[in-house]
Amino acid sequence: GAVVSQHPSWVICKSGTSVKIECRSLDFQATTMFWYRQFPKQSLMLMATSNEGSKATYEQGVEKDKFLINHASLTLSTLTVTSAHPEDSSFYICSAERLAEAFFGQGTRLTVV
Amino acid sequence: QQQVKQSPQSLIVQKGGISIINCAYENTAFDYFPWYQQFPGKGPALLIAIRPDVSEKKEGRFTISFNKSAKQFSLHIMDSQPGDSATYFCAARRASGSRLTFGEGTQLTVNP
Repeated sequence: GAVVSQHPSWVICKSGTSVKIECRSLDFQATTMFWYRQFPKQSLMLMATSNEGSKATYEQGVEKDKFLINHASLTLSTLTVTSAHPEDSSFYICSAERLAEAFFGQGTRLTVV
Repeated sequence: QQQVKQSPQSLIVQKGGISIINCAYENTAFDYFPWYQQFPGKGPALLIAIRPDVSEKKEGRFTISFNKSAKQFSLHIMDSQPGDSATYFCAARRASGSRLTFGEGTQLTVNP
């Protein structure tokens, strides 16, 4: 069964609005979660590392004020895309480790219109 | 040093055949090498993973071969089925809790 749950699976939002994506670890605690972005027919691109109780670490070129990450508990990390624009449309995926194995959520397809 | 090179980019195999995907890495500090299967519109699913203390790991039709001296590892899918048609990613990581470095992906098509 699923180890990491991501919600929603897809979302459509208007330009200028914000959208929040949730990533939950099921039945285990995850002090670290990772957020990725994936473009069609490409590999996963790490956006940021989410650390419970502290600030996220963003990869070079990722705007931390646009992609807000909150890891408020040991089982939940959220990614908020603020003031979304069409170029933010993408597939966003989170991951967490359980017993040293890395598992991924189902992904969220974001479409900004 | 953080790169993982994956080949081929695409692969077409007949049903019942063997699919082989290769990856090469540079960072000798990597100690966890997973393979993921991804279907369109879905997140990557962990298929099988290996650590450098063994040279081979088999789970059902899926086998990882690992060559530490050559810094290469490969995925073999035996008796390939049309349902195996997906994108496969290799990855590598240092210590637990650190980031994964992904290969570029291989689009596998298994013809009936």
